[in-house]
Amino acid sequence: DAGVIQSPRHEVTEMGQEVTLRCKPISGHDYLFWYRQTMMRGLELLIYFNNNVPIDDSGMPEDRFSAKMPNASFSTLKIQPSEPRDSAVYFCASSSRRRFSYEQYFGPGTRLTVT
Amino acid sequence: GEDVEQSLFLSVREGDSSVINCTYTDSSSTYLYWYKQEPGAGLQLLTYIFSNMDMKQDQRLTVLLNKKDKHLSLRIADTQTGDSAIYFCAEIPLFSGGYNKLIFGAGTRLAVHP
Repeated sequence: DAGVIQSPRHEVTEMGQEVTLRCKPISGHDYLFWYRQTMMRGLELLIYFNNNVPIDDSGMPEDRFSAKMPNASFSTLKIQPSEPRDSAVYFCASSSRRRFSYEQYFGPGTRLTVT
Repeated sequence: GEDVEQSLFLSVREGDSSVINCTYTDSSSTYLYWYKQEPGAGLQLLTYIFSNMDMKQDQRLTVLLNKKDKHLSLRIADTQTGDSAIYFCAEIPLFSGGYNKLIFGAGTRLAVHP
């Protein structure tokens, strides 16, 4: 299995620009999670989906952030407009309810720098 | 409430055992996990333990769970330089609104020196 795939691995953009992060979960997994990691706040859950439906988006910082999952194999996290304080590493993770241990598998992350 | 606490740093000598500790507050937690994060990488699942167990061993890793004290530990035997990383403890509270929402600790940075 290829694991969770994220792209791009690094993104540098200027303040005010739109940023789109992409994720392909592990095939057969029905849960997908987006996290953000910073030194100050640690690992934060932004939003998660079950069977492509957003279940909990209470961690999304503000309206500038949006996430979609148009099908079982693809999700995007969009920031528009981006701000320097959005600089962080963004992780996507997936899991399967069929595994009673509910463990989540993480992608390698996208390091976002907003200047 | 939901909270997971870990000490931030641990330094050990190569070849010694490392013990990383974690406390959690939600007594309804069903599964507890240990993840490892190497520099520039994502979180890698190391092991997990179900709440009705008190110990799990997997090669050099031993997980101990004290449910009464809500204390979880990860012991790494014969610690190697490749074990240098950040280790995250995580739990799934039973009533987490979807039963799949991991609560992570802040992570313990393990430094292994010769």
